Amino acid sequence: EVQLVESGGVMVQSGGSLRLSCTASGFTFDDYTMHWVRQTPGKGLEWVSLINWDGSTAYFADSVKGRFTISRDNSKNSLYLQMNNLRSEDTALYYCAKDGVRHGFLTHFDNWGQGTLVTVSS
Amino acid sequence: QSALTQPASVSGSPGQSITISCTGTSSDVGGHNYVSWYQQYPGKAPKVMIYEVNSRPSGISNRFSGSKSGNTASLTISGLQAEDEADYYCSSFASSSTLGVFGTGTRVTVL
Repeated sequence: EVQLVESGGVMVQSGGSLRLSCTASGFTFDDYTMHWVRQTPGKGLEWVSLINWDGSTAYFADSVKGRFTISRDNSKNSLYLQMNNLRSEDTALYYCAKDGVRHGFLTHFDNWGQGTLVTVSS
Repeated sequence: QSALTQPASVSGSPGQSITISCTGTSSDVGGHNYVSWYQQYPGKAPKVMIYEVNSRPSGISNRFSGSKSGNTASLTISGLQAEDEADYYCSSFASSSTLGVFGTGTRVTVL
């Protein structure tokens, strides 16, 4: 059974930094692109970032480009999101999600964690 | 990259069929077949219902089907059941600086 468990979400002040983690199990982690997707409380979903299976390629939404970085440690089956210069609009529930196709890029999100809540206070 | 446009709400009676539209552009929905649909209950993570326009993951009821015409994708739920009451989001790969885009979301209500 695929499991994705996010951690690291807390309340932080505007301009601050935070690192989110996602630990994966139940599948061959280094075969899959991984994503971060966020959801503003009571609102919709927003794709944030992806990193491909070997960590050589990463992409970001325009809204976070230059402030967020993504990384992975395949030896630890772990995904990370480093968030810098946080703004109030970054307040959201952050989900870790697995791409649906082995060695796919951005096909669909076939497994999701339960999310970790980031609150940015001004 | 703007969010894909979905109706805010759709409703139907048990047993009826409903269709949710998802309108984008030639850079996303119209230009790629990586269109997917997600069901989300309150307080829960999204769950994929349709991927690659019209494919169903194993375990998903065949009451759910997907299609696409031009820049608009659609999710049809046939034989509507009370358990289908949830929020639904479409998503697409996009040929833009933001590679992934979601729809605005649709609340499905079973009357």
